[in-house]
Amino acid sequence: QVQLQQWGTRLLKPSETLSLTCAAKGGSFNGYYWSWIRQPPGKGLEWIGEINHSGSTNYNPSLKSRVTISVDTSKNQFSLKLNSVTAADTAVYYCTRGTVPAVPIDLWGQGTLVTVSS
Amino acid sequence: DIVMTQSPDSLAVSLGERATINCKSSQSVLYSSNSENYLAWFQQKPGQPPKLLIYWASTRESGVPDRFSGSGSGTDFTLTISSLQAEDVAVYYCLQYYSSPWTFGQGTKVEIK
Repeated sequence: QVQLQQWGTRLLKPSETLSLTCAAKGGSFNGYYWSWIRQPPGKGLEWIGEINHSGSTNYNPSLKSRVTISVDTSKNQFSLKLNSVTAADTAVYYCTRGTVPAVPIDLWGQGTLVTVSS
Repeated sequence: DIVMTQSPDSLAVSLGERATINCKSSQSVLYSSNSENYLAWFQQKPGQPPKLLIYWASTRESGVPDRFSGSGSGTDFTLTISSLQAEDVAVYYCLQYYSSPWTFGQGTKVEIK
């Protein structure tokens, strides 16, 4: 049973860099798309971007200038970096797996609440 | 970006009754080469990540009860819960994955009347 385990910095000050990592435990890494999605407290879902095992990325234009998603296939891990954070970046961040084109997201990490506060 | 608009924002349904949630996209999410609609439905319960219910607009994910069904094509889609159970209380989201950036509807909260 594949699980996504995620970790990273939970409390940041404005202008700092958010850094999260997600590991796929117990299954193959190749052949899937790996995404990050966030959800501000009490609000809806926002797709941040995706990467495949080859390192090909696709970002939401609203965040593209601040986002980097990378992959380490030797560890079955992928990571998110979001720089110059503000309070508006406070959210639960989820890592996810998909089998595009059919299934956009079939597996979610547990979520990490990242708070940006001075 | 494709804008996804769900209706209603919330609804209250009696146990055993039908619940219907609509999702409208600002442009078609039907991919002509394979005739599939790139539209998915998710269920989110408090404190949990969302769970995939339906993909390709009408294909039920493995393990999802058959009281959940998806329909529609092009720009108009519907998620139907045929007989609402207590465990179905949640927020439901539609997602288009036809074009980047993927975009979600704002969510529909389903409660028991």
